[in-house]
Amino acid sequence: EADIYQTPRYLVIGTGKKITLECSQTMGHDKMYWYQQDPGMELHLIHYSYGVNSTEKGDLSSESTVSRIRTEHFPLTLESARPSHTSQYLCASSLAGGQFFGPGTRLTVL
Amino acid sequence: GESVGLHLPTLSVQEGDNSIINCAYSNSASDYFIWYKQESGKGPQFIIDIRSNMDKRQGQRVTVLLNKTVKHLSLQIAATQPGDSAVYFCAESGNSNSGYALNFGKGTSLLVTP
Repeated sequence: EADIYQTPRYLVIGTGKKITLECSQTMGHDKMYWYQQDPGMELHLIHYSYGVNSTEKGDLSSESTVSRIRTEHFPLTLESARPSHTSQYLCASSLAGGQFFGPGTRLTVL
Repeated sequence: GESVGLHLPTLSVQEGDNSIINCAYSNSASDYFIWYKQESGKGPQFIIDIRSNMDKRQGQRVTVLLNKTVKHLSLQIAATQPGDSAVYFCAESGNSNSGYALNFGKGTSLLVTP
């Protein structure tokens, strides 16, 4: 079982609210990732980081932002949530090769 | 961009039978491949990986086969059990050592019937 955690697990929020999805890993991995996944569909990369103070945008355009101030922490922020942001958000980390995933945050924006 | 896709969206097998899940990829520069299992409400779980300098790798009840000539990857599960029911994703990366972000396929839903 990988030591990567995400909170909250479920979030229902109204349009226009600012939210931050938390992701932490205790494995000392340099690389961390955020993916978006709709039910039954493939994962799409929205952000990644090679290490502290490194953040890059992924293939899928996203209105979210990320920060990497500490190795173990990679939060994702939505400044103004919209119904189109409703999805599952998965955080992952890796040292080299395979990525290990957290349990995900299922976000619903009303 | 490059695509990774699965041949079948769903697969139903009887308990005890062997399962084979297939995946095609198009990026000839891909050199690292992973299979993930995702159960409902959970994040993907690493099953097995293979680098492009190999054509077969075995784990516990699972085997991954890589055919670089036709850009095809398969996951074989021996003696399939009800607990194997999940969605299985293949993923590829162009750089196996740097942990580059993975490109995921669409997933195959495996249903194991008693």
